[in-house]
Amino acid sequence: VQLVESGGGVVQPGRSLRLSCAASGFTFSYYAIHWVRQAPGKGLEWVTGISYDGTNKYYADSVKGRFTISRDSSKNTVYIQMNSLRTEDTAVYYCARDLPTYGDGGYYAMSVWGQGTVVTVSS
Amino acid sequence: QSVLTQPPSVSGAPGQRVTISCTGTSSNIGANYDVHWYQQLPGTAPKVLIYDNNNRPSGVPDRFSGSKSGTSASLAISGLQAEDEADYYCQSYDSGLSGYVVFGGGTKLTVL
Repeated sequence: VQLVESGGGVVQPGRSLRLSCAASGFTFSYYAIHWVRQAPGKGLEWVTGISYDGTNKYYADSVKGRFTISRDSSKNTVYIQMNSLRTEDTAVYYCARDLPTYGDGGYYAMSVWGQGTVVTVSS
Repeated sequence: QSVLTQPPSVSGAPGQRVTISCTGTSSNIGANYDVHWYQQLPGTAPKVLIYDNNNRPSGVPDRFSGSKSGTSASLAISGLQAEDEADYYCQSYDSGLSGYVVFGGGTKLTVL
């Protein structure tokens, strides 16, 4: 059971970046997936989540209108498209899977986490 | 300013028992939403320690326990060991303006 993030890097303010989260070892279409970020030296901040079937998507106020989450069941991958990036978006971005199957909403614990990918927004 | 409030730091000697509090409001913990706890060792991803207030995933020692009452929850660690030194976070759901998934600000546990 594994999640692997990719796509991080250094980007200028106002530009875009797309992160990927590739899942393996479990039935991808049964589980909701979230993105959680951690700014340098700071705590965890939930960013966005998508229900197991992709029907419902949820966003933190800090990224609403700028970030878009999506999932592709044919590739067992969740994406986060990040537009209009700001310096305060600089963080390690983790993807994480709900503990129970068929999750929808942010009620549940996250039992599988990726290793994280670093996003640095700087001019 | 996190929606869930945790003490920034706690400490204890090996073998002792420590507790970490997580205080919420009537729109999250007080609304009977479950609380989950994570351990984050330096340089690693978080790991779930307690889910649904007081349940341990397989592989988590029974030295770790969780409880919830009213608008607060607590994580207790007994028989403290050096490897327990880490950051600990609580998580719940918020039905108010804060959004959906909310985390506490985190607590740094130091084993003396």
